[in-house]
Amino acid sequence: QVQLQQWGAGLLKPSETLSLTCGVYGGSFSGYHWIWIRQPPGKGLEWIGEITHSGSTDYSPSLKSRVTISVDPSKNQFSLKVRSVSAADTAVYYCARDTRRKLVTGAYKYYAMDVWGQGTTVSVSS
Amino acid sequence: EIVLTQSPGTLSLSPGERATLSCRASHSVSNDYLAWYQQKPGQPPRLLINGASSRATGIPDRFSGSGSGTDFTLTITRLEPEDFAVYYCQQYAGSPKTFGQGTKVEIK
Repeated sequence: QVQLQQWGAGLLKPSETLSLTCGVYGGSFSGYHWIWIRQPPGKGLEWIGEITHSGSTDYSPSLKSRVTISVDPSKNQFSLKVRSVSAADTAVYYCARDTRRKLVTGAYKYYAMDVWGQGTTVSVSS
Repeated sequence: EIVLTQSPGTLSLSPGERATLSCRASHSVSNDYLAWYQQKPGQPPRLLINGASSRATGIPDRFSGSGSGTDFTLTITRLEPEDFAVYYCQQYAGSPKTFGQGTKVEIK
């Protein structure tokens, strides 16, 4: 049963860089999108972006200028960096995966996020 | 960007009652790539429904999803005490993969 375990610094000052890593245990690393989502206190979920095992990325337009998602397939890990943080970046950050499967027709079928990390609380305060 | 609007914001019901949650998309969600998640305080979301109507592994059959295009529904036929939570819809047909703002199902 695949599990995601995430870690990183939980307290930052404005203008610093947020850095989180998510480890994938007990499953394959290929054939999936590896995703970061965040949830500000008392609010809803926001998709930050995703990466494949080969390093192809996709980012939310609202965060694209400050975000980098990277992958290390040799360690079964992927990471998130958010530059120049402010109080608006205070949130619980989750890693997750969704699935892409190639059909016999050559087309792809996609599935929703079925495995999630435990979440990391990140606070930005001077 | 596909905007998802969930209604109602809060649903006050008693255990054993039926819950009907709505998710409306600003544009058609291709291939019905629409999911429903349940979230309880202090926990990550849990996938309930995939592809608008397919229950995820281990999800009880009192949860069902329906709809297509721009209008989707999550139905809980008989609420159990553990079902009181916040529910989110999410589309994964296009980028960015957006979420609705959530519906809280609370005990009446």
